[in-house]
Amino acid sequence: GNSVTQMEGPVTLSEEAFLTINCTYTATGYPSLFWYVQYPGEGLQLLLKATKADDKGSNKGFEATYRKETTSFHLEKGSVQVSDSAVYFCALSDPGMDSSYKLIFGSGTRLLVRP
Amino acid sequence: DSGVTQTPKHLITATGQRVTLRCSPRSGDLSVYWYQQSLDQGLQFLIQYYNGEERAKGNILERFSAQQFPDLHSELNLSSLELGDSALYFCASSVTVNTEAFFGQGTRLTVV
Repeated sequence: GNSVTQMEGPVTLSEEAFLTINCTYTATGYPSLFWYVQYPGEGLQLLLKATKADDKGSNKGFEATYRKETTSFHLEKGSVQVSDSAVYFCALSDPGMDSSYKLIFGSGTRLLVRP
Repeated sequence: DSGVTQTPKHLITATGQRVTLRCSPRSGDLSVYWYQQSLDQGLQFLIQYYNGEERAKGNILERFSAQQFPDLHSELNLSSLELGDSALYFCASSVTVNTEAFFGQGTRLTVV
């Protein structure tokens, strides 16, 4: 079945450091890939997405490239800020036989950025 | 603000009880999804409705049920509650079945 694996956290960085959060997936079809962010006490917000191989999603300085050959969708940011501290979820949507675009999430990676 | 409204925000109840969680989707959205976020299981898809009809089912227990009403709001009913049902329950909505879903703030359920 479809699944998403992302690196375990927490990831602790100093402000302005480079961020990478690894995400790999298993899917039977051609999924769309997403990164969601959850700030403390809040719901999930879509950060970025990519719908086909080699697409790059980007938003707020974050980027991720859909790599079909390595089944990966790693999240990167060149210079993190304290305000980026949150839990990041990698997810896929693959309609499959029920044509449902439900999301399958990874376990989440907590990012803590220190001033 | 995503436009998806969930009530209540917090709920504390005893084992064996029954609760109803409510979700109002964004205006114009026909599809509603329910997800459960727990410490041991992570974020899991429970069920999806589209325009009043059940569209897909995930890891939803038989003690749980949901429905979507003609005005498109949805309710998730949890019965015979157990301690392990304590979790954050999210609702998400989308315009159709294959468009981006927007999440509500969640209902935190604590079973004591």
